[in-house]
Amino acid sequence: EAGVAQSPRYKIIEKRQSVAFWCNPISGHATLYWYQQILGQGPKLLIQFQNNGVVDDSQLPKDRFSAERLKGVDSTLKIQPAKLEDSAVYLCASSPLQGVGYTFGSGTRLTVV
Amino acid sequence: GNSVTQMEGPVTLSEEAFLTINCTYTATGYPSLFWYVQYPGEGLQLLLKATKADDKGSNKGFEATYRKETTSFHLEKGSVQVSDSAVYFCACGKGQAGTALIFGKGTTLSVSS
Repeated sequence: EAGVAQSPRYKIIEKRQSVAFWCNPISGHATLYWYQQILGQGPKLLIQFQNNGVVDDSQLPKDRFSAERLKGVDSTLKIQPAKLEDSAVYLCASSPLQGVGYTFGSGTRLTVV
Repeated sequence: GNSVTQMEGPVTLSEEAFLTINCTYTATGYPSLFWYVQYPGEGLQLLLKATKADDKGSNKGFEATYRKETTSFHLEKGSVQVSDSAVYFCACGKGQAGTALIFGKGTTLSVSS
């Protein structure tokens, strides 16, 4: 079974630029999550989708972050404009509807300079 | 909302020593509890989990018991190996039935031979 695919693996941008991350979940997984992991901390949930609907985006900084999951499969997370404090690893995870079999991708490491 | 507190590291042990990493949680109801591990250069992997009070999760010689009375889920291993060197994260489900996860800050374990 293929895992959760994420790209790019690394990204360096200047502050105030925009950036987008892509995630392809495990086939058939209804639920998709984006987490932000700042160095030295545990991952923090940004947004949760079930199929193509948003379940929880309470911790998503909506003034600069946006995410979509068209057709209930792939997802894109965008930051515009980026700030220095957005430097982190952005992790995508997916799970079947009942949450069993949660799988994380390898993440995208973003550095904002 | 739910939260997780785990002991700060780093934890430095010699091979074959006994390991305990403390984790306590604050939650409404009884969420599922998890330990994740992140080996150097790799993504997050589920180590073990427990879904209800008094359940014991175990994997690769690691164990943790869901203690409702002390709201704890301490990770233990009787004899650590150099290959166990990694960052360990305690996590709980967000909300009573949520599948999103709330993570602790992580504990770095370093085992020397």
